Amino acid sequence: DTEVTQTPKHLVMGMTNKKSLKCEQHMGHRAMYWYKQKAKKPPELMFVYSYEKLSINESVPSRFSPECPNSSLLNLHLHALQPEDSALYLCASSQGLAPETQYFGPGTRLLVL
Amino acid sequence: QKEVEQNSGPLSVPEGAIASLNCTYSDRGSQSFFWYRQYSGKSPELIMFIYSNGDKEDGRFTAQLNKASQYVSLLIRDSQPSDSATYLCAVNEGDAGNMLTFGGGTRLMVKP
Repeated sequence: DTEVTQTPKHLVMGMTNKKSLKCEQHMGHRAMYWYKQKAKKPPELMFVYSYEKLSINESVPSRFSPECPNSSLLNLHLHALQPEDSALYLCASSQGLAPETQYFGPGTRLLVL
Repeated sequence: QKEVEQNSGPLSVPEGAIASLNCTYSDRGSQSFFWYRQYSGKSPELIMFIYSNGDKEDGRFTAQLNKASQYVSLLIRDSQPSDSATYLCAVNEGDAGNMLTFGGGTRLMVKP
């Protein structure tokens, strides 16, 4: 079973809203990732968590705030986003960090108005 | 700057033909290589990974790796219209963080 789930599937928010994206995996993976993907572009890495600790932040603006409450869950808190933040947000997980296959969730399509 | 290059396409092949997708990478220290398929509006789905020089076959798919030439390819035999998608090549340099560098993707169109 290589399933990563993400909720919600779609999200529309205003620039003053606060919302959260949720990602869950039950494969026992210890590394989880957030990616952002714009149309016709490849995924861009945002954050990497390893053993529930943030190990990589790819210079992402502070209006994006990740959180890893436990080894199965990864959240991305959104606040004061801009219209250019509209994209597909992908969560992925891997067994560890050395190099391991990453499995992607279905994504959350975000539209910022 | 670590780079992964792919021809954006579209690559158009008739149904039943072999589709050949190519990818070059800049970092000689790269350790593992992945092919993901992405349908429009969907998330990337792992097709194959390869770590060692040579060929690796899985059903209709064959991945080929040549580290000396810094080249990785994906062959799809007996292409089907359902194979029409964007194929992303991803390279892991082996740095801390299991970070993937993605190519821009090649759009494949299989015509019935």
